[in-house]
Amino acid sequence: NAGVTQTPKFQVLKTGQSMTLQCAQDMNHEYMSWYRQDPGMGLRLIHYSVGAGITDQGEVPNGYNVSRSTTEDFPLRLLSAAPSQTSVYFCASSRPGLQGDTQYFGPGTRLTVL
Amino acid sequence: GQSLEQPSEVTAVEGAIVQINCTYQTSGFYGLSWYQQHDGGAPTFLSYNALDGLEETGRFSSFLSRSDSYGYLLLQELQMKDSASYFCAVRRNSWGKLQFGAGTQVVVTP
Repeated sequence: NAGVTQTPKFQVLKTGQSMTLQCAQDMNHEYMSWYRQDPGMGLRLIHYSVGAGITDQGEVPNGYNVSRSTTEDFPLRLLSAAPSQTSVYFCASSRPGLQGDTQYFGPGTRLTVL
Repeated sequence: GQSLEQPSEVTAVEGAIVQINCTYQTSGFYGLSWYQQHDGGAPTFLSYNALDGLEETGRFSSFLSRSDSYGYLLLQELQMKDSASYFCAVRRNSWGKLQFGAGTQVVVTP
């Protein structure tokens, strides 16, 4: 099993550009989430999904869109990149009831917006 | 408001014991998790407490007191590889929505 994979690993954007961060998992987990991590602030939930076709907002959803057409994939779209979106983005998946819904994290995407 | 408080940094020598405290104030509480993150890496799950008491997993133990809105992670027999950031996270609803603390950086010295 590859677990949770994310692409790209690094990305530099200019203000106003759009892009999609890819996330895939091969563990057949129902739940998937996107977090951003900024220095000294821990991880903050952007959007999450409890199954294909079902998504909802987390703590910091503004400027991001998600969709979940399959169990495996959960892409995150930046609509119009801003310097405030410079961060490390982690995708995670989990299975209901497994040790409090243990999150399995991908390796992260390091995004810089100039 | 909603908050999780944990110390920003703890330093200890190899072989010592370190306790990382976490106090929380959140709407909705299903349990407290702990995650470890090495520099440049992804967070990895360490432990989860849904009920009051102590959970032991090898050299690591985690404790929860729901009445005090408090938990801690105990790291015993510290090793150099334990140098990392440790995050507490409150599970806020039934699907596993997590709210993370800012993290505690543990520095282990020889």
